[in-house]
Amino acid sequence: ETGVTQTPRHLVMGMTNKKSLKCEQHLGHNAMYWYKQSAKKPLELMFVYNFKEQTENNSVPSRFSPECPNSSHLFLHLHTLQPEDSALYLCASSQEGRAEAFFGQGTRLTVV
Amino acid sequence: AQSVTQPDIHITVSEGASLELRCNYSYGATPYLFWYVQSPGQGLQLLLKYFSGDTLVQGIKGFEAEFKRSQSSFNLRKPSVHWSDAAEYFCAVAPLSGTYKYIFGTGTRLKVLA
Repeated sequence: ETGVTQTPRHLVMGMTNKKSLKCEQHLGHNAMYWYKQSAKKPLELMFVYNFKEQTENNSVPSRFSPECPNSSHLFLHLHTLQPEDSALYLCASSQEGRAEAFFGQGTRLTVV
Repeated sequence: AQSVTQPDIHITVSEGASLELRCNYSYGATPYLFWYVQSPGQGLQLLLKYFSGDTLVQGIKGFEAEFKRSQSSFNLRKPSVHWSDAAEYFCAVAPLSGTYKYIFGTGTRLKVLA
């Protein structure tokens, strides 16, 4: 148990679907992150939220829409995705003043 | 440009042999340095981290890493590898302050032969 829980673990969606990924952290951290992990590429930082405020959007296409209603929950809303968006999406959290991030187990997304 | 390089994509070692995974970084100043491990289908688990002080840091599962400022390196080592160490290993850096925007290497996949 890492303290960061992601649901669902696996998701298959069509290009016209709308779905959401959920992340919940039970560590009392104030920063949360979305990363994309594709085969043969480094983990790509997508979004950062610090105290519920988005502090980083790493040039992510608008078909990915994050939401952070509180410091414990982070969502990634997906719509009209492309097959190249198929990847493992990882959520992480960290505490201000402590740089180490704690990761969830990820959601394996397949866009068909 | 800020980057992390892990030159070895795949490494195969025999169980009981020693291991060294290489990591070099390019950064404006000495950053925080991390090694993470990822088992198949799992998220990333922190093995160890370096912030300051002693350049040889100990982590979980018998791993250690040495920071060498002159070489901009942070290599991971283990004296005797176990079959359960087979996984993918990621080196990462983060700035010393502000939002912790981690930069990851491409990873090294470790295979352990029985």
